[in-house]
Amino acid sequence: SQQGEEDPQALSIQEGENATMNCSYKTSINNLQWYRQNSGRGLVHLILIRSNEREKHSGRLRVTLDTSKKSSSLLITASRAADTASYFCATDSRETGANNLFFGTGTRLTVIP
Amino acid sequence: EAGVAQSPRYKIIEKRQSVAFWCNPISGHATLYWYQQILGQGPKLLIQFQNNGVVDDSQLPKDRFSAERLKGVDSTLKIQPAKLEDSAVYLCASSLDTGGGEQYFGPGTRLTVT
Repeated sequence: SQQGEEDPQALSIQEGENATMNCSYKTSINNLQWYRQNSGRGLVHLILIRSNEREKHSGRLRVTLDTSKKSSSLLITASRAADTASYFCATDSRETGANNLFFGTGTRLTVIP
Repeated sequence: EAGVAQSPRYKIIEKRQSVAFWCNPISGHATLYWYQQILGQGPKLLIQFQNNGVVDDSQLPKDRFSAERLKGVDSTLKIQPAKLEDSAVYLCASSLDTGGGEQYFGPGTRLTVT
């Protein structure tokens, strides 16, 4: 399966703390994306990092990519209760060439006020 | 800018019945995707359209699932007959092109098959 895996599956932190989620994948990629999903809602795009990039920032989000280890991490700094959601990484695959996205299993983040 | 619209939001049917879902993508988006998301899992691509043509339907169970995008805008996904394991959220997404970039998701349709 080309599907990635997030780690941990669930994470619970206090408001103000940082949250780190990891993603591992199996095939060569063009880019990797992170999405957020609030309960009962669709997914919202957070950030895209290309295979030739190593780090990217967007507001309180920091994403790193290590293509040699086929892994990525998402760091949310100074977490807020509103950050409570599931977070998914998604990769395309250079090998299929179809540019479809393959989603991981997600990390369920709970931020306690 | 209006987002991706889906209807209905919820549907409950008995097994062996049929059901259809509708999606209206963001205006101007050439590519439309249907995903199935089973509880506790990530979305799995069912079918991808570029305008009104199918780009990838390799994971679509074609014996019971069908989808169309006749005019290259709206799309419908149909299940006939439904099985218990089809209970899931069906998500529609759209993007400007097939370049593997950002996808915009609708709110989804939660299907329960009893």
